[in-house]
Amino acid sequence: SAVISQKPSRDICQRGTSLTIQCQVDSQVTMMFWYRQQPGQSLTLIATANQGSEATYESGFVIDKFPISRPNLTFSTLTVSNMSPEDSSIYLCSVAGGPYNEQFFGPGTRLTVL
Amino acid sequence: AQSVAQPEDQVNVAEGNPLTVKCTYSVSGNPYLFWYVQYPNRGLQFLLKYITGDNLVKGSYGFEAEFNKSQTSFHLKKPSALVSDSALYFCAVRDRDTGRRALTFGSGTRLQVQP
Repeated sequence: SAVISQKPSRDICQRGTSLTIQCQVDSQVTMMFWYRQQPGQSLTLIATANQGSEATYESGFVIDKFPISRPNLTFSTLTVSNMSPEDSSIYLCSVAGGPYNEQFFGPGTRLTVL
Repeated sequence: AQSVAQPEDQVNVAEGNPLTVKCTYSVSGNPYLFWYVQYPNRGLQFLLKYITGDNLVKGSYGFEAEFNKSQTSFHLKKPSALVSDSALYFCAVRDRDTGRRALTFGSGTRLQVQP
């Protein structure tokens, strides 16, 4: 299984600012995913990030609000832009491993927007 | 489209008793099914998966799940619950007949095991 780390683990931010979350994997992976888990809720997919191509966003998520970079096969960033209190969530990075897309998750970044 | 339903927000069970956490799914093709567990302030941990073959799948920490195609269910079970099993459990599905690689998650079920 892949080992995934995220930075920062948590942050408290002011409304209107932006935060970039980093995701590092200990092996090369083709597909990475970014999920959001709002308080008391399930995981919602934000986007799929493949190396060398633009990220694919799910309905309700746009690149201007959640720009993603994928510069190589072991690293990705998600930026939460122009934050509002509604963006307070846990943001999780995951990677697809093996032929059946068994996904492995990072520890998450807990974001609080004041 | 693919979806997952976890009908119970919370399941309470006494330590030593068997537990069941329910999950039903909907896919247009054939499913890959997964269970994950989330402990407080931690990320998701993989428990087990159903790909094909035997309907009873065994996973980590003594958990198992039974795939039932006719009922489109994938209930998580454990013969004897431990207090340390108390956590949030998520069922997830992926339609293996589409190109979509991301998982769709259920709403989660909080398991509370009482000593």
